[in-house]
Amino acid sequence: DAGVIQSPRHEVTEMGQEVTLRCKPISGHDYLFWYRQTMMRGLELLIYFNNNVPIDDSGMPEDRFSAKMPNASFSTLKIQPSEPRDSAVYFCASSPSARGSEQFFGPGTRLTVL
Amino acid sequence: QQQVKQSPQSLIVQKGGIPIINCAYENTAFDYFPWYQQFPGKGPALLIAIRPDVSEKKEGRFTISFNKSAKQFSLHIMDSQPGDSATYFCAATSSYGKLTFGQGTILTVHP
Repeated sequence: DAGVIQSPRHEVTEMGQEVTLRCKPISGHDYLFWYRQTMMRGLELLIYFNNNVPIDDSGMPEDRFSAKMPNASFSTLKIQPSEPRDSAVYFCASSPSARGSEQFFGPGTRLTVL
Repeated sequence: QQQVKQSPQSLIVQKGGIPIINCAYENTAFDYFPWYQQFPGKGPALLIAIRPDVSEKKEGRFTISFNKSAKQFSLHIMDSQPGDSATYFCAATSSYGKLTFGQGTILTVHP
């Protein structure tokens, strides 16, 4: 298995632009998580899905952020409009089940908003 | 109550030393405590995990010690190597695999 796949690996955009990050989870995993990592705030859970349904989006910072999972093999995290403070590394992770399961992280997308 | 507090923020040891990273939690509903290891430019990867029904778990050179009454757990790395240099995160979860991460410890092992 190729593991969790994220694209793009790097994104540089200007303030106000729309940004879409993409994730392909490991086949057969029922849970998908989106995280944001910064030096100041560490690893933050933004949202997670179970069987393509959003379960908890309490970590989404504001309405500019949205996430979808149209099918079991694809998810997107969209920021519209983007702001410089959104600059961070965004990780997608998937897990085969709920409690006590290992989460497999993708390589991340490094987002820079100028 | 959902926080996991991790210390120290950074740690430098010589090769062969035994770095120790500590974590504390408040939420007694937490029942699964994994440690993740992250190398620069990579995503975190599961290193070792423990449940509160045991006080210690060892996998190779990595050991987790767990103190349920104190709500603390720690990671020990025996005979540390330069290749162990990475950022280590403790975490805890109580439901649906939703992990709460500590702030991370940057470990540097000098040759």
